[in-house]
Amino acid sequence: DSGVTQTPKHLITATGQRVTLRCSPRSGDLSVYWYQQSLDQGLQFLIQYYNGEERAKGNILERFSAQQFPDLHSELNLSSLELGDSALYFCASSQGQVFHGYTFGSGTRLTVV
Amino acid sequence: GENVEQHPSTLSVQEGDSAVIKCTYSDSASNYFPWYKQELGKGPQLIIDIRSNVGEKKDQRIAVTLNKTAKHFSLHITETQPEDSAVYFCAARQGGNTGNQFYFGTGTSLTVIP
Repeated sequence: DSGVTQTPKHLITATGQRVTLRCSPRSGDLSVYWYQQSLDQGLQFLIQYYNGEERAKGNILERFSAQQFPDLHSELNLSSLELGDSALYFCASSQGQVFHGYTFGSGTRLTVV
Repeated sequence: GENVEQHPSTLSVQEGDSAVIKCTYSDSASNYFPWYKQELGKGPQLIIDIRSNVGEKKDQRIAVTLNKTAKHFSLHITETQPEDSAVYFCAARQGGNTGNQFYFGTGTSLTVIP
């Protein structure tokens, strides 16, 4: 157990729908990162939050949004889902300092049908 | 942004042999290079990392080397064991950014044959 908790582990939904993925960071970690892992794209950075505020943004689609709450858990909202959004979505956390690796959760596998 | 390339995409070695995975990066300002191991059904796990002011780092059977001039870094696994079989990812942290996001290579699937 890495200490980063992601729910749900699996999600199957239809095109056009909206889903919410949840992440609880490791105790003491202030930064949360969201990554998308697909077979042909590898691990793609989506967005980072630090202590409730957005810190950096990657190639996150406008249909996707995220937030970090006062208790530091984070949610990734995916809307108007398309078949191509099917992927593994990972959350990672860190204390926010530079030169430290992340701790990843075990991911949420999203299947859009 | 930073562009990280990783080779080979697949690698098979006999148990006990060494395995080497190579990565190159594009931004000379990148300053931190972690390596992750991902087993089936699990999230990536940090196995070793190196900062840009260090040329080599070792941790038991695993070592990482960094050549800043050539902008490449490598993972070396010696005396490989079947439990080393996994997908390995290199990553680079682009210096000067406001966040701490990493740019990942596309992964190397390592198979250690008993």
